[in-house]
Amino acid sequence: GENVEQHPSTLSVQEGDSAVIKCTYSDSASNYFPWYKQELGKRPQLIIDIRSNVGEKKDQRIAVTLNKTAKHFSLHITETQPEDSAVYFCAASITGNTPLVFGKGTRLSVIA
Amino acid sequence: DTAVSQTPKYLVTQMGNDKSIKCEQNLGHDTMYWYKQDSKKFLKIMFSYNNKELIINETVPNRFSPKSPDKAHLNLHINSLELGDSAVYFCASNQGWTGELFFGEGSRLTVL
Repeated sequence: GENVEQHPSTLSVQEGDSAVIKCTYSDSASNYFPWYKQELGKRPQLIIDIRSNVGEKKDQRIAVTLNKTAKHFSLHITETQPEDSAVYFCAASITGNTPLVFGKGTRLSVIA
Repeated sequence: DTAVSQTPKYLVTQMGNDKSIKCEQNLGHDTMYWYKQDSKKFLKIMFSYNNKELIINETVPNRFSPKSPDKAHLNLHINSLELGDSAVYFCASNQGWTGELFFGEGSRLTVL
């Protein structure tokens, strides 16, 4: 089955700096790669996703890149703000065939 | 309107007891899940149901028994609770293992 590795497990950045979280996956058939944000005491919520026919996707300060050959994908947050502080999860699946398998999460702290 | 709702939000109980968590979604999705999030924040899939049929049952002790009376409801019953069962249990849903996964608010179970 799919295995998703996520690094780093914790990340501290100064407000205004960029943050990068990286994930690798094992199943080359996986074609859907979402990122979820979980604020303290809240439920995980989707912030951005990418499918395997696209190499990069942006939404305001958030971007995700995908390298299918290397089987890794990354989340980039620019101009970080204190409200970006949360646990971020990457995940992978084969759309319509398998459930999402999550990475172990990255706790991002943005220091004002 | 809450898309995925779980009850109760908090459960505190003694070892050896039996407890249930209920989940309902009003999104019209055909696939529902139970995820367990432990103290390290790992999100691990336990069960997946598609149209009331159990599709995935990860290596979960048989003390955990899910039940889906219809495709909008997925309940979790846990027998003979153990200390290691303490966690936050998230119900989630999407359409046919496709697209955004919508999570409930979580049910925090504490076994004393």
